[in-house]
Amino acid sequence: KNEVEQSPQNLTAQEGEFITINCSYSVGISALHWLQQHPGGGIVSLFMLSSGKKKHGRLIATINIQEKHSSLHITASHPRDSAVYICAVRGGATNKLIFGTGTLLAVQP
Amino acid sequence: DAGITQSPRHKVTETGTPVTLRCHQTENHRYMYWYRQDPGHGLRLIHYSYGVKDTDKGEVSDGYSVSRSKTEDFLLTLESATSSQTSVYFCAIRDPGQGLDQYFGPGTRLTVT
Repeated sequence: KNEVEQSPQNLTAQEGEFITINCSYSVGISALHWLQQHPGGGIVSLFMLSSGKKKHGRLIATINIQEKHSSLHITASHPRDSAVYICAVRGGATNKLIFGTGTLLAVQP
Repeated sequence: DAGITQSPRHKVTETGTPVTLRCHQTENHRYMYWYRQDPGHGLRLIHYSYGVKDTDKGEVSDGYSVSRSKTEDFLLTLESATSSQTSVYFCAIRDPGQGLDQYFGPGTRLTVT
């Protein structure tokens, strides 16, 4: 079983919809990251959080340390939000980043 | 931009040839990382460095070596490239406790034929 699991693996939404991507992990962590990768593109860090909630524009990230779960929400989704969203945790035995396999989001106009 | 560049950005090479990928940073960060990204896998750590001449292996280090003779440069070498090393390679730098903590380079797409 992977130490970081994301769901769903694929998600299609209509423009304007509220989107939620989930991340569950099984190791102790010091921080959790959400990353974005556009097709054929580089990896951009969106959030790093160790507790609570952070917001940046239409993106909101939350984490529940007790439940070992995080969510990334996108409000008023737009086709330019189409990308792979990657959850990564810093922790485990090595304190290195451990990555999920990503959620492919397609937002249709 | 976090001041990370990778070169080359694209490379096609033949099986058995040596290949060196370069990661260059302008941020003077201590920690640097090489990852590979393959379909169906999350990013996987190849090697990392925690200072000049200080490097260590990641989870998929077989067939790869690294060197860091200057703070700003971290080189990844495939001594004898194989088709299984066809991948997209990302370099990253880390500034612990600051901002978003870890920043990624633009990636190098390597094809081994």
